Parts: sequence; structure tokens; C-alpha cells
Amino acid sequence: DAGVIQSPRHEVTEMGQEVTLRCKPISGHNSLFWYRQTMMRGLELLIYFNNNVPIDDSGMPEDRFSAKMPNASFSTLKIQPSEPRDSAVYFCASSRQGLRTKNIQYFGAGTRLSVL
Amino acid sequence: DAKTTQPTSMDCAEGRAANLPCNHSTISGNEYVYWYRQIHSQGPQYIIHGLKNNETNEMASLIITEDRKSSTLILPHATLRDTAVYYCIVRRDNYGQNFVFGPGTRLSVLP
Repeated sequence: DAGVIQSPRHEVTEMGQEVTLRCKPISGHNSLFWYRQTMMRGLELLIYFNNNVPIDDSGMPEDRFSAKMPNASFSTLKIQPSEPRDSAVYFCASSRQGLRTKNIQYFGAGTRLSVL
Repeated sequence: DAKTTQPTSMDCAEGRAANLPCNHSTISGNEYVYWYRQIHSQGPQYIIHGLKNNETNEMASLIITEDRKSSTLILPHATLRDTAVYYCIVRRDNYGQNFVFGPGTRLSVLP
């Protein structure tokens, strides 16, 4: 399996622009997680989905952030409008949640976002 | 989920065993101990997890004390590629449970 695939790997944009980050989870996984990592705040959960349904979005910073999972093999995290404080590395992770699974999360390589 | 405490940083000589401690004194009976690591510029990588018995896999061993209030991750023969931040996380093994990552331990393997 190719693992969790994120695109783009790097994104540089100007303040006010819309940014869309993409994630393809591991095939067969039914849970997907979006994390953000900064030097100041470390690795923090933004939102997670179970069976394509958002379960907990309490970590989403504000209305400028939105996430969707239209099907089991694709998710997006959108920031509109972007601000310099959104600069961070964004990770997507997936897992197979269930009674007889290990519920281990597998992470993608991340998207490094720079908002100028 | 229970909170964990780890040393900020540790050094280890290449080829020696690296022993990374983690305190989780408020752990409850249905909470597992997970270890992840993050090599620079990469996503976190799962290492091992356990409930109360010691566990071993191809990457590491996990030793959990009998009272489950602390654990130790052991990398038996550390290499330079093991230099990373190691996270100890305690959480219930239920549906849809996310991981809460603390600051972790920065392990430096020295030649």
C-alpha cells in the first residue's frame, strides 16, 4: 500500500488566498484525521471523520477552516481566506477503527503551508 | 485521556540501547500506552503499543510497570536514523478516538 498520500507537499500563498489541502487515506481505513503542527503549539488535532462523517471538529480554529470527506478515499482541508498565522505543517492520518483492530493511525508526509 | 510526562531530551550512543521513560500516573484501566516517533520533516510513525503486558516488535520493546503508572520504550541497538522526537500517548482504544500529542522526548543518537 502507498500509505496516506497528501498533496501538495509544499504550498506558498499570499494572505487572503484560498488554500486547499488534499488527502487520500489508506484503502480500507474508515477514519481520517487532520492535524496541524507548529513550533509554538506542537501537533494538534483539527478534525476527524469516521465513515466519512465529521465526528469532532472542535479543533478547527475558526470559520475560515473547513474540511470535507465526500467519499472514503478523499478528503480536503480548505482555508479561506488564509492568514500568515495559518503557516504550519498539516498532516493527514487514517486508521481502521473497530473492535478487533489496533486502531493505529498512519500519517502522511504532510503539507508545509507558508502564507505570506 | 490520561496525561503523560516525558523528559524533554535524551542522548544515546550509537549501537547502545535507548531507554525512553514515560510517566502516566493517572492512567485508567481501559487506557493503552502508545508510542510514536517523528523524524525531522516527516509525519509521525507508529512504533508500538500495549495495555499491561510487555510488548516487542521489530522496532522496539515496551515495558509497562505492574501498576501501569509508567512505561519505558526500548530501542535495543540505536542507530543514527533513530534520532527523532518520541511521543508517549495514553488513550482508550475505542472508536474514533484521536491521539493527543504532547511535546515528546527529543532523542539524539550520537556517533
